[in-house]
Amino acid sequence: NAGVTQTPKFQVLKTGQSMTLQCAQDMNHNSMYWYRQDPGMGLRLIYYSASEGTTDKGEVPNGYNVSRLNKREFSLRLESAAPSQTSVYFCASGGTSGGGYNEQFFGPGTRLTVL
Amino acid sequence: AQRVTQPEKLLSVFKGAPVELKCNYSYSGSPELFWYVQYSRQRLQLLLRHISRESIKGFTADLNKGETSFHLKKPFAQEEDSAMYYCALLTGGGNKLTFGTGTQLKVEL
Repeated sequence: NAGVTQTPKFQVLKTGQSMTLQCAQDMNHNSMYWYRQDPGMGLRLIYYSASEGTTDKGEVPNGYNVSRLNKREFSLRLESAAPSQTSVYFCASGGTSGGGYNEQFFGPGTRLTVL
Repeated sequence: AQRVTQPEKLLSVFKGAPVELKCNYSYSGSPELFWYVQYSRQRLQLLLRHISRESIKGFTADLNKGETSFHLKKPFAQEEDSAMYYCALLTGGGNKLTFGTGTQLKVEL
């Protein structure tokens, strides 16, 4: 199992450009998440999807859109990138671990720079 | 509203010294708390959860509801413990994690 995968690993954009970050999981989890990680701010939830066909805003949704394409895939789109969106983006999926506990599993991250 | 506070951005200790990473939370419901760790240039991974009362890599954390704390402890720090540690609170009906701002642990020789 690959777990949670993300593409691309790195991206540099100019202000105003758009792009989509891709995320896929092979653990058959219902829930998927997008976070951004900034120094001194920790991880902040951008959007999440509790199940296929549903999406909800997190703590910092402005400037982003998401699509839950199917159970496996959850993409994050920046329509018009701004320098404030320079960050490391993590995708996660959530489900029940082998011990029966709730757990989130994270992807390797995408490092995005907006010039 | 729920909140997780990690007061230390950076904690520097010598190898073999005890470690305590502080975490306090604010939540009106019954808390379920986690510690996640991120080693250099790696993805976040779960270190331990309070509900299973585990000891992982020598780390333990006890939930203290009276003090609303979930501090992470290890009696003897090792060099390989150097990493970023995040405390997290499960909310949203079990669907969302609220993270603290993280503590960078540096273990010096």
